[in-house]
Amino acid sequence: DGGITQSPKYLFRKEGQNVTLSCEQNLNHDAMYWYRQDPGQGLRLIYYSQIVNDFQKGDIAEGYSVSREKKESFPLTVTSAQKNPTAFYLCASSTWTQSSYNEQFFGPGTRLTVL
Amino acid sequence: KQEVTQIPAALSVPEGENLVLNCSFTDSAIYNLQWFRQDPGKGLTSLLLIQSSQREQTSGRLNASLDKSSGRSTLYIAASQPGDSATYLCAVNNNFNKFYFGSGTKLNVKP
Repeated sequence: DGGITQSPKYLFRKEGQNVTLSCEQNLNHDAMYWYRQDPGQGLRLIYYSQIVNDFQKGDIAEGYSVSREKKESFPLTVTSAQKNPTAFYLCASSTWTQSSYNEQFFGPGTRLTVL
Repeated sequence: KQEVTQIPAALSVPEGENLVLNCSFTDSAIYNLQWFRQDPGKGLTSLLLIQSSQREQTSGRLNASLDKSSGRSTLYIAASQPGDSATYLCAVNNNFNKFYFGSGTKLNVKP
């Protein structure tokens, strides 16, 4: 059964801590994305990766870091430099061709709360 | 930069009504447009993908249209049901393979 998994579902962070959110996909997609969603707002792009060992900053990358060591995995670290990290984090994947067939698929999300 | 707007932000209708959700975008150089459904606290579920060369797509009671030249898409839901209550988001995929999202329309279908 192909899809995207995210863990944990809920995460609590103390001030000054770094935390890492997991995202795994078995859709054989080249591209993976991290979005942040705040209440009543659309999705904002944090980072995206087109291929293993390469990634690009999105619109709100400050205070976040990523790695892409395997095609299936794209973990996101929320560092202590992120001033307001409480939000719902969504991971997605798609093929990476300049094609109208590109369709994005999403994981179930991780809700991060700063204590 | 691509801007995506969804109107209305919220909509409440009685069960059985047909309804239309709107999505507009500023840059018509897109590969496709995707409509999603999001239930509270959940991820996004893809409903329909319209390629740039297509005018519409249908899935069950859902019909999505695309007018690329005017930068508009509509999602038509026929015979709405309480189970349709959710937030509906549209996203456009531009020629750099980035996806831009609207803020969504929160739909409430009353029994």
